[in-house]
Amino acid sequence: DAGVIQSPRHEVTEMGQEVTLRCKPISGHDYLFWYRQTMMRGLELLIYFNNNVPIDDSGMPEDRFSAKMPNASFSTLKIQPSEPRDSAVYFCASKRLAGDSYEQYFGPGTRLTVT
Amino acid sequence: AQTVTQSQPEMSVQEAETVTLSCTYDTSESDYYLFWYKQPPSRQMILVIRQEAYKQQNATENRFSVNFQKAAKSFSLKISDSQLGDAAMYFCAYRSAFEYSGGGADGLTFGKGTHLIIQP
Repeated sequence: DAGVIQSPRHEVTEMGQEVTLRCKPISGHDYLFWYRQTMMRGLELLIYFNNNVPIDDSGMPEDRFSAKMPNASFSTLKIQPSEPRDSAVYFCASKRLAGDSYEQYFGPGTRLTVT
Repeated sequence: AQTVTQSQPEMSVQEAETVTLSCTYDTSESDYYLFWYKQPPSRQMILVIRQEAYKQQNATENRFSVNFQKAAKSFSLKISDSQLGDAAMYFCAYRSAFEYSGGGADGLTFGKGTHLIIQP
């Protein structure tokens, strides 16, 4: 199994630009999570999906952030317009409902730098 | 809302020695899961060990074990025979057990982490 795949691994952009982060969960997993990691706030849950449906987006910082999951094998996190304070590492994670139902498998993360 | 506190920003231990990382949490729920994740410099999040709150027996995975004190809401990680490869950030995390209720409690709540240094 390839694990959770995220792209790009690194992204540098200028303030005001649109940024799209991508995630491919592990095949067969029912849940997909987006987390953000910063030095100040640590690891925070932004949003998660169950069977492609957003369940809890209360962690999304503001309207500039949006996430979609058009199918079971792909999700995007979009920031428009980006700001320097959005600089962070963004992780995607997935898990199954059955079997190892309580383990989330993390992707390698995308390091975003907004200048 | 649940909170997870790791009071040790950094810990240092000699190779082959034993080290204990502390974690406390706050919740009003009776059933939940607790985890320790390791994040090496590669930044990959790796699950080290997990504990179900309804189990009284402390979880063990090779050199890693936990001391779970439910009444005290404490969940410490003990690493025995420390190795250089154990050097990393360690995060304690909490998750509600109510995943089947549709209540939206499936995400992990993390502590701020402990940076573990292994001295050769």
